[in-house]
Amino acid sequence: GQQVMQIPQYQHVQEGEDFTTYCNSSTTLSNIQWYKQRPGGHPVFLIQLVKSGEVKKQKRLTFQFGEAKKNSSLHITATQTTDVGTYFCAGRDGGSQGNLIFGKGTKLSVKP
Amino acid sequence: EPEVTQTPSHQVTQMGQEVILRCVPISNHLYFYWYRQILGQKVEFLVSFYNNEISEKSEIFDDQFSVERPDGSNFTLKIRSTKLEDSAMYFCASSEVYSNQPQHFGDGTRLSIL
Repeated sequence: GQQVMQIPQYQHVQEGEDFTTYCNSSTTLSNIQWYKQRPGGHPVFLIQLVKSGEVKKQKRLTFQFGEAKKNSSLHITATQTTDVGTYFCAGRDGGSQGNLIFGKGTKLSVKP
Repeated sequence: EPEVTQTPSHQVTQMGQEVILRCVPISNHLYFYWYRQILGQKVEFLVSFYNNEISEKSEIFDDQFSVERPDGSNFTLKIRSTKLEDSAMYFCASSEVYSNQPQHFGDGTRLSIL
């Protein structure tokens, strides 16, 4: 079945440093969504990418969808302590209206 | 902003007992979901529900699990005979349109099986 792999599993950065998490799917995705989960919280939708090669920005966050629609990345510029949490990508198989498959997430910690 | 609400926030149950987790999706949403997250692990899809029937389910969602929309607002997950490995956070989510809209998650129910 479809698998969504995400690396790294953990990332520790100094406040002000950049951060990137990468997501790869075993199959072509119809779209990919990114969620953020704060410690003890629930996943919160950040963004959805649909088009091949799409790039979207939200303030310091930049999201990319690969040309082949099998990979994606989230880049945070100049991290802040408020960025702490686990970032999950979630993809849906391109061939169906199937369920979202979540990656294992990247847990970001930011040292002030 | 409308929210998905889940009750209870924490449920402690003896192994072998039945448990019902409750959710109230956002009122104009049509699709409902249950996910499970074992402590420190990823979010795992259990089941999706549309038009009063299961749309998709994962391998985790075996005969011990069932879902129901007993009235116009509640969406429930029942685990018939709980096992120790059912201990997890269970999230309910809803979305307006199945295939291309974000899912809104509730705060979750932490289920502890003793």
